[in-house]
Amino acid sequence: EPEVTQTPSHQVTQMGQEVILRCVPISNHLYFYWYRQILGQKVEFLVSFYNNEISEKSEIFDDQFSVERPDGSNFTLKIRSTKLEDSAMYFCASSEMGNQPQHFGDGTRLSIL
Amino acid sequence: SQQGEEDPQALSIQEGENATMNCSYKTSINNLQWYRQNSGRGLVHLILIRSNEREKHSGRLRVTLDTSKKSSSLLITASRAADTASYFCATDKGGSEKLVFGKGTKLTVNP
Repeated sequence: EPEVTQTPSHQVTQMGQEVILRCVPISNHLYFYWYRQILGQKVEFLVSFYNNEISEKSEIFDDQFSVERPDGSNFTLKIRSTKLEDSAMYFCASSEMGNQPQHFGDGTRLSIL
Repeated sequence: SQQGEEDPQALSIQEGENATMNCSYKTSINNLQWYRQNSGRGLVHLILIRSNEREKHSGRLRVTLDTSKKSSSLLITASRAADTASYFCATDKGGSEKLVFGKGTKLTVNP
């Protein structure tokens, strides 16, 4: 069964550094998402992406965050200047169409030191 | 906020028993989805129920939706140790793809 794959599985970064999290969505899916889960807390929506542009973003997704689909298969989340509070598990998801089941990757654990 | 609470927060049962988890939400929704998360892993989609549906089955899973009470339940029948995981409901509203998750129910199935 097709899967969403995320790399790396664990990223350790110094505060203030830029980090790029990578995702390969399921190939025929058109909608892409990033969520995060701070340890012990709810899964929170960050951003949705469709037709090469952001369709919706949350208050968390401020100017430090950006997303890109650079080559038609990868979907990336960039955090420009990381803060301690960015430490979380970041999940990428994709869906075939809107309002369809979203399929999640196994996540990238981001640790900011 | 769109999302209410799931209950119970934790549930421990014996293998073979049924497990029922409940989810409540606050605003009108388009769809409600249930996901499973094994420790340290991603979210696995289990079932999607639309706002105009009342019940849905998938294998050992049964989901009900009561839009008048803004609540849903997930029943896992004949549970197995491998069902041990956290279970989350997530809702989306019309015009938005954003999923809003609850805090989840941590299910432990003892062999």
